[in-house]
This record gives sequence, C-alpha cells and structure tokens, in this order.
Amino acid sequence: GNSVTQMEGPVTLSEEAFLTINCTYTATGYPSLFWYVQYPGEGLQLLLKATKADDKGSNKGFEATYRKETTSFHLEKGSVQVSDSAVYFCALTLNTGGFKTIFGAGTRLFVKA
Amino acid sequence: GAVVSQHPSWVICKSGTSVKIECRSLDFQATTMFWYRQFPKQSLMLMATSNEGSKATYEQGVEKDKFLINHASLTLSTLTVTSAHPEDSSFYICSAGLAGASSYEQYFGPGTRLTVT
Repeated sequence: GNSVTQMEGPVTLSEEAFLTINCTYTATGYPSLFWYVQYPGEGLQLLLKATKADDKGSNKGFEATYRKETTSFHLEKGSVQVSDSAVYFCALTLNTGGFKTIFGAGTRLFVKA
Repeated sequence: GAVVSQHPSWVICKSGTSVKIECRSLDFQATTMFWYRQFPKQSLMLMATSNEGSKATYEQGVEKDKFLINHASLTLSTLTVTSAHPEDSSFYICSAGLAGASSYEQYFGPGTRLTVT
C-alpha cells in the first residue's frame, strides 16, 4: 500500500543548528511529494513540493530532494531559527482515479534560543 | 495565492446538539474538498472527499450519517457533526484541491476546534 514514514520527534535544536527530518515513502505509481508545516492551533501550510524524481523543492531556507532510488524526501535547513518551531508533515499525493494525499505522522521541532 | 477559510475557528457545544463547519475557497474554484480530523499531537486523518454536486466519499470507519458533508458550490463545502458527543471533540481541517499544470495541490483551512461538553 501507499504510506509515508517520517522520523519521530520531538527534535530539539539550538538556534542556527542544521536540521534534517527524514521522510521515506512507499507508493504505487508516481506520487508528488510535499512538506507541510503546522504552527500551534493552525491549519497546514505548504512548505515545499516536488513532482518528479530529482526535483528539489525549496522555500524559506528549507530544501528537500525527491529521491526515487531511495524513495526518500528528507527535509533540510542549514540554520534553524526559533520561529521554525512547529510540526512538519511529509506527504504524498497520488492520482488513483481521484487525488488522494497520505500524510506522515508529523515531526515536532523545537528550536531553542 | 489560494486561500481557504473555515468558520467557525472554534466552537463549544453541548452533547446531543449538531454543529456545522464551513469551508470556503476564497479566490479559486475547487471541484474537490477534503475533510480531515486531527487528534492532539497526531497526524491528519482523512474523513471524506467532497466533490461539488455529488455525494461525498467517506473513508472506512467514518460514519456518513454522523458526519454530513455537503458541497453545494465550487467554493463551499460544509461538515455537520450531528448529535455530537464528547468523543467527537477534535480539530477539524478542510482543504481544497487545485490541479496545476504538473501537480495537484491542496490548500488547507486554518482548522476548527470542536469541543463537546
């Protein structure tokens, strides 16, 4: 079946540290891959996306590369800020006669000043 | 950019009453809207897919008679929690789908926190 697995949190980092949140997926067909961010008490915001193999999505200093060979879409940021504290969700979307999105469990990030 | 609103943002109701949550795409037409439920510190669980002008498709285990979904127009979908009970307390999030040239994206509403007392 189709699924998304991401590293468990919480992840606690100091400001300016390097961030990696791992995400791997299994899917039939050719999914689009997404990272969403959720701040406390809010809905999800699209952070970045990649629609085909080797695409790199980037936004606000975050990056992720669609790796078909390792079925991965790891999120990275070179220098985190306190304001990056949030929950990050990896997701895939497939067209199976209608679009369907599957989310990972989410990874909570705390950034300390 | 594509904006989705939800109303209300939070609601408290008594057990046995019904609550309606609205989801609107403000600046685009969405043929498909999705309703999710999120428990504290957990991921989003898809409840149903709502297509304009047709019946919603519910995920396994979701009671269609309890969670009534209406997608009356290309910009509005509603979720009604009927005869609410405390276990229905949750954060409900809607999204609207938009097909682009090379991908399909969802735009999420800010969520509605429902508390049933």
